[in-house]
Amino acid sequence: DGGITQSPKYLFRKEGQNVTLSCEQNLNHDAMYWYRQDPGQGLRLIYYSQIVNDFQKGDIAEGYSVSREKKESFPLTVTSAQKNPTAFYLCASSPLTGGEEAFFGQGTRLTVV
Amino acid sequence: KQEVTQIPAALSVPEGENLVLNCSFTDSAIYNLQWFRQDPGKGLTSLLLIQSSQREQTSGRLNASLDKSSGRSTLYIAASQPGDSATYLCAVRDSNYQLIWGAGTKLIIKP
Repeated sequence: DGGITQSPKYLFRKEGQNVTLSCEQNLNHDAMYWYRQDPGQGLRLIYYSQIVNDFQKGDIAEGYSVSREKKESFPLTVTSAQKNPTAFYLCASSPLTGGEEAFFGQGTRLTVV
Repeated sequence: KQEVTQIPAALSVPEGENLVLNCSFTDSAIYNLQWFRQDPGKGLTSLLLIQSSQREQTSGRLNASLDKSSGRSTLYIAASQPGDSATYLCAVRDSNYQLIWGAGTKLIIKP
């Protein structure tokens, strides 16, 4: 089955620790995205990538880093510089054309302990 | 800058009622508009995609309309069921291929 897989589903981070969230897709989509979702708010774009080895900052990139070494994979690292990382993180992918729909993973809930 | 607004933020209706969720956007230069459903603690499920050249799309009990000139879309749910309870999000794909999101409408269908 084609789709997007995020792992882990739940993640706990200690203060000062970096953690990496995984996102893999087998839809052959060029574009991939990371969003953060906080209660009562819309999705906010962290980073996006439209081609391998290239990515762009979104609206709230500070304290996060990404890589796009393979078309299928777009991992997100939440660094210790992100002061308020507790949130629900969603990964999405879409073809690089304007008319196509986006598909989402099931999300990772990150909690600082 | 494109902004997307969803009204109401929350809605509670008895089972069986027909209902309308609203989504408005400020810039009509969009490629498409997509409606999603999100269950608590879950990812987003795409419901309907309306291209900028289309006026509406239908899937089962769901009908989404798009009026680009007025910057509005509606999601109509017929004969609502408790299983329809979820948060509904709309997003427009802007001229830079980015998805711009509303904050969602939390829908509760009471048995």
